[in-house]
Amino acid sequence: EVQLVESGGGLVQPGGSLRLSCAASGFTFSAYGMSWFRQAPGRGLEWASAISGSGHIISYADSVKGRFTISRDNSKNTLYLQVNSLTAEDTAVYYCAKGDCGGDCYLTDHWGQGVLVTVSS
Amino acid sequence: DIQMTQSPSTLSASVGDRVTITCRASQSINDRLAWFQQKPGRAPKLLIYTASTLASGVPPRFSGSGFGTEFTLTISSLQPDDFATFYCQQFNEYSRTFGQGTKVEIK
Repeated sequence: EVQLVESGGGLVQPGGSLRLSCAASGFTFSAYGMSWFRQAPGRGLEWASAISGSGHIISYADSVKGRFTISRDNSKNTLYLQVNSLTAEDTAVYYCAKGDCGGDCYLTDHWGQGVLVTVSS
Repeated sequence: DIQMTQSPSTLSASVGDRVTITCRASQSINDRLAWFQQKPGRAPKLLIYTASTLASGVPPRFSGSGFGTEFTLTISSLQPDDFATFYCQQFNEYSRTFGQGTKVEIK
């Protein structure tokens, strides 16, 4: 069974940083692209970033480009998202998701339960 | 970016009703359309991909159709477990954008 468990969220001041993690199990992690999505309170879903199974192909939404960094450690079956220069608009539940391919997958088939990031002074 | 527009935003229905949700893309996405179900406080769950293919374990009362810019999600007989918010998502293009969601409420 595919399991994705996010961690690392919390309350952070504007301008601050966090590192989100997503521990994966139940599938061959290195064979699949992974993504981060987010959902602001009471709002819809927004794609943030994606990374191929090898880690060589990386993409970002314009709204986070230059501030967020996606990475993965295939030896630890873990996906990361470093989020910097945070503003109130970044307050959201952040979800990691498994892609349906090994590259930059535009389709995801399993999502984690999410982790809340709150940006506030 | 491709814009995705769902209608209605909210739908009130009873158990056993046939329910249809529409999703429109601002430009053709062929059949690169997925539907997700999300319950409060839970992660989105993939229901349908490539417009009409049921994801593993999804009950057959769910069906999808459409191509190009117009798509529909149909629940043939609404069950108590189906009350949730449904999102369409295009996966034809880099931006992988979602519709704003359709909340299916108990009438």
